[in-house]
Amino acid sequence: DADVTQTPRNRITKTGKRIMLECSQTKGHDRMYWYRQDPGLGLRLIYYSFDVKDINKGEISDGYSVSRQAQAKFSLSLESAIPNQTALYFCATSDPRGGNQPQHFGDGTRLSIL
Amino acid sequence: SQQGEEDPQALSIQEGENATMNCSYKTSINNLQWYRQNSGRGLVHLILIRSNEREKHSGRLRVTLDTSKKSSSLLITASRAADTASYFCATDNSWGKLQFGAGTQVVVTP
Repeated sequence: DADVTQTPRNRITKTGKRIMLECSQTKGHDRMYWYRQDPGLGLRLIYYSFDVKDINKGEISDGYSVSRQAQAKFSLSLESAIPNQTALYFCATSDPRGGNQPQHFGDGTRLSIL
Repeated sequence: SQQGEEDPQALSIQEGENATMNCSYKTSINNLQWYRQNSGRGLVHLILIRSNEREKHSGRLRVTLDTSKKSSSLLITASRAADTASYFCATDNSWGKLQFGAGTQVVVTP
């Protein structure tokens, strides 16, 4: 979905480094999410934000932090990367108006930590 | 922990055949959603079925929901090579927070 843009698309880095993954959206949605995808495990929720002043931990938030800089921007940080954080990371958005809205995903960031 | 579990994990069919995949979940839900993921891309929403609905159609897609059995199925009719992808079910049991299954990988051969 071109309306949800993730940068970078690929990143290789070393253990202990601080990394920031960025997500921006032009859909005007209030809700934004960060997921990681590991082979065979589907997507797991790291953090989510229902509006600019709202940040919530998801299922696997340890080792991660987020910042909601604006309605359109939601960044994910790994303070000190470790190899088991190697995964595919997705940002998603949704619109809460009208209830039961689907999520719209970016194309992901493939992160490798050596 | 994952809420949804898809079955089968992988499915290989020929063009023109139907593909059926199932999703089971553990707790009550507000709605259940199906997504498709093409290789190297993000997930794309296919269809949403509310907890008070039993069946829904969208083009060649048919989704059923049985809340008594906590299960859903996705049927793709007359499959095409372009349907090759991974398919995920996701349950919404907390108004906007989704829990995804591990997915079914579908390969459609010409």
